[in-house]
Amino acid sequence: DAKTTQPPSMDCAEGRAANLPCNHSTISGNEYVYWYRQIHSQGPQYIIHGLKNNETNEMASLIITEDRKSSTLILPHATLRDTAVYYCIVRPVGMDSSYKLIFGSGTRLLVRP
Amino acid sequence: NAGVMQNPRHLVRRRGQEARLRCSPMKGHSHVYWYRQLPEEGLKFMVYLQKENIIDESGMPKERFSAEFPKEGPSILRIQQVVRGDSAAYFCASSAFRADTGELFFGEGSRLTVL
Repeated sequence: DAKTTQPPSMDCAEGRAANLPCNHSTISGNEYVYWYRQIHSQGPQYIIHGLKNNETNEMASLIITEDRKSSTLILPHATLRDTAVYYCIVRPVGMDSSYKLIFGSGTRLLVRP
Repeated sequence: NAGVMQNPRHLVRRRGQEARLRCSPMKGHSHVYWYRQLPEEGLKFMVYLQKENIIDESGMPKERFSAEFPKEGPSILRIQQVVRGDSAAYFCASSAFRADTGELFFGEGSRLTVL
């Protein structure tokens, strides 16, 4: 079972920031927060990951609360191509089964023109 | 997703037939993972292979399903005597090292429809 909880759907206007929340209240000290997205009919695409510090790359920013029980993925200027299902995944690193990504239901983000 | 090649992208089989799905990992990657996505669900881990070895097949159904990753050539996921419940998207991912850190690179998937 997924160790994360995400809203089933969200929408935002094109050009605005999309903020996707994720709860992971049972996260362990050695578990990272990963975000993937799946655009319709395509394979999952890695977005970003973090342990406890905020992270930013060319695609998005990841804000993790100090207690690490929740996080927010931020797409700063959403485009229509960002319409996808976004998966928040808690993943142990350095463990034998770290390759078993556990995908929940994700958040279906619709970017409106 | 560029780099991990899966074929066929779409496959239609009748009940009882065999389905073979192929996956060529990214160049330089020797670790391959297969995931299955049933309609309206998230992806679920099936099997992890290295060249010529099955490392973990804990997510694979015990019967009718098999996987291999030979020394030469792509990884193959084989489903014998398909049933309607096998209809799903099958995704392959690869990594350069054992994926306990870093990201998995996924292919575009193979969509199996069983009539």
